[in-house]
Amino acid sequence: GNSVTQMEGPVTLSEEAFLTINCTYTATGYPSLFWYVQYPGEGLQLLLKATKADDKGSNKGFEATYRKETTSFHLEKGSVQVSDSAVYFCALYGGSQGNLIFGKGTKLSVKP
Amino acid sequence: EAQVTQNPRYLITVTGKKLTVTCSQNMNHEYMSWYRQDPGLGLRQIYYSMNVEVTDKGDVPEGYKVSRKEKRNFPLILESPSPNQTSLYFCASSYRGNQPQHFGDGTRLSIL
Repeated sequence: GNSVTQMEGPVTLSEEAFLTINCTYTATGYPSLFWYVQYPGEGLQLLLKATKADDKGSNKGFEATYRKETTSFHLEKGSVQVSDSAVYFCALYGGSQGNLIFGKGTKLSVKP
Repeated sequence: EAQVTQNPRYLITVTGKKLTVTCSQNMNHEYMSWYRQDPGLGLRQIYYSMNVEVTDKGDVPEGYKVSRKEKRNFPLILESPSPNQTSLYFCASSYRGNQPQHFGDGTRLSIL
């Protein structure tokens, strides 16, 4: 079945550091890929998405590129801020199945 | 305002006492789903619905029931709750399954 694997946290960075959170997936067919963010005490919000190979999703300075050859969708940001501290989830929808699969989440803490 | 509304937000109850968590969306979305979030396990999908009267199991459906009699509502039913169902639950909706999900604020259930 489909699955998502993302790097385990927590990840602690200083403000203005470069961020990479790795996400790889297993799926049959052509899934859609998402990154969601969860701020403390809140529900999840969509951060960015990509629906086909080589698509790049971007939002709020975050980027991720759908790489079918490496089955990856790594999240990057060039300069993190304290306000980026949250839990980040990689997710996959579809392929041959109709359910949405999430990774286990990566907690990011950014220190001033 | 576009939103997904869950009730209750918090509930402490006892083993075996049937409970229902309601979920309602005002965006005319076809796809709705329920997730549970547990430390170290991320979000796992319980059930999803692609449209009215169409529901399907996610990854962890045991001990739960759902119904989709109307497009806007997707209640989660625990017929005989047990302590291992203590968790944070999220309802979500989207136009289609491969579209970004809108999440509710969550329901924290404690089963004693």
